[in-house]
Amino acid sequence: AQTVTQSQPEMSVQEAETVTLSCTYDTSENNYYLFWYKQPPSRQMILVIRQEAYKQQNATENRFSVNFQKAAKSFSLKISDSQLGDTAMYFCAFAPPDDKIIFGKGTRLHILP
Amino acid sequence: NAGVTQTPKFQVLKTGQSMTLQCAQDMNHEYMSWYRQDPGMGLRLIHYSVGAGITDQGEVPNGYNVSRSTTEDFPLRLLSAAPSQTSVYFCASSRGDTQYFGPGTRLTVL
Repeated sequence: AQTVTQSQPEMSVQEAETVTLSCTYDTSENNYYLFWYKQPPSRQMILVIRQEAYKQQNATENRFSVNFQKAAKSFSLKISDSQLGDTAMYFCAFAPPDDKIIFGKGTRLHILP
Repeated sequence: NAGVTQTPKFQVLKTGQSMTLQCAQDMNHEYMSWYRQDPGMGLRLIHYSVGAGITDQGEVPNGYNVSRSTTEDFPLRLLSAAPSQTSVYFCASSRGDTQYFGPGTRLTVL
């Protein structure tokens, strides 16, 4: 069965620091997609970043970047220069092509002033 | 584009009542899905649809029905509400690999 594991239920960092959220997944597929979603207190699910498994280059979106290690089945999210608005629940997710997306249980991130 | 819309935003039901959560998208996406979100459980897939007239069960389908008569709409029906169905419900749609979520419905069953 395909699973997504986020080993950090909750984290806190000071504003302007860099923080890394961990995610591992288990699959026998070779081609798939990986995502990080952000859920702020407003409850809206917001796509932060996506990675295609066949691309070796790590995806980046402004202050957000990933460290994708395909062999280790690891997909961590790095947030640089963290801001108060980054306070949210973060979900890692995995999806084979044309199939259901599977979510981890989430990491609650607090950015402290 | 309105994206994915869900109604209502909040709902309180009594045990045994039935209701329908509405979901609509205006992006002409084929794939639509329903999730429930519970504390410490992440998002769990209830039902999904790969196109009009086609639906299938997800991880936690019991107590819920869906239908997909049009590309735009994907309602979720609770047949006889139970307190265990107290949750936040999200509808999502996608064409390719990326899902777009609605704002969610917070449902409380007393």
